[in-house]
Amino acid sequence: TQLLEQSPQFLSIQEGENLTVYCNSSSVFSSLQWYRQEPGEGPVLLVTVVTGGEVKKLKRLTFQFGDARKDSSLHITAAQPGDTGLYLCAGDYGNNRLAFGKGNQVVVIP
Amino acid sequence: GAGVSQTPSNKVTEKGKYVELRCDPISGHTALYWYRQSLGQGPEFLIYFQGTGAADDSGLPNDRFFAVRPEGSVSTLKIQRTERGDSAVYLCASSQGQTETQYFGPGTRLLVL
Repeated sequence: TQLLEQSPQFLSIQEGENLTVYCNSSSVFSSLQWYRQEPGEGPVLLVTVVTGGEVKKLKRLTFQFGDARKDSSLHITAAQPGDTGLYLCAGDYGNNRLAFGKGNQVVVIP
Repeated sequence: GAGVSQTPSNKVTEKGKYVELRCDPISGHTALYWYRQSLGQGPEFLIYFQGTGAADDSGLPNDRFFAVRPEGSVSTLKIQRTERGDSAVYLCASSQGQTETQYFGPGTRLLVL
């Protein structure tokens, strides 16, 4: 059972464009994390959001946690080919066990 | 490097065989996690160790799966009587404590023919 739904599953855009991907759940999580995974590698943590309504920025990436702590979004400004990858959201459902979504596959075309 | 390492990187086996997958966590990390990532899916929690003991094994799919961490460092995931549905990438992660950031290894790609 997938606790977290990510949309869109696949997104292809031109270099320089902006994009937003979403992570939604019917459950409330104590924290929500975003990872990026490249082929043949494990996920790498980008950010953790904890407080409802929280916004965090990491260079051109902006992460927002919903007020009810059930959903989150990732916005990339002026996407670069190096942003290509699988973006995974994960919710902590206790004891640091993570429930992952299926991911948003982002392809940035030069 | 000082990251999480997993061996082998790839494993091909036949249905019914036994396999062992190894994880070397970051030195000093007390917590260790195993996840399974099937094609097109996100990682799925299997088991979590705090020190030598399995603190939570609720994600293990059935009794063919077993994991150990006898000295509180290296862990081995063991799968008996493998089935084709066990084919997946098995990821290991470690963290400094129970609530700290998890660092993932590159995974072991298991293919059961």
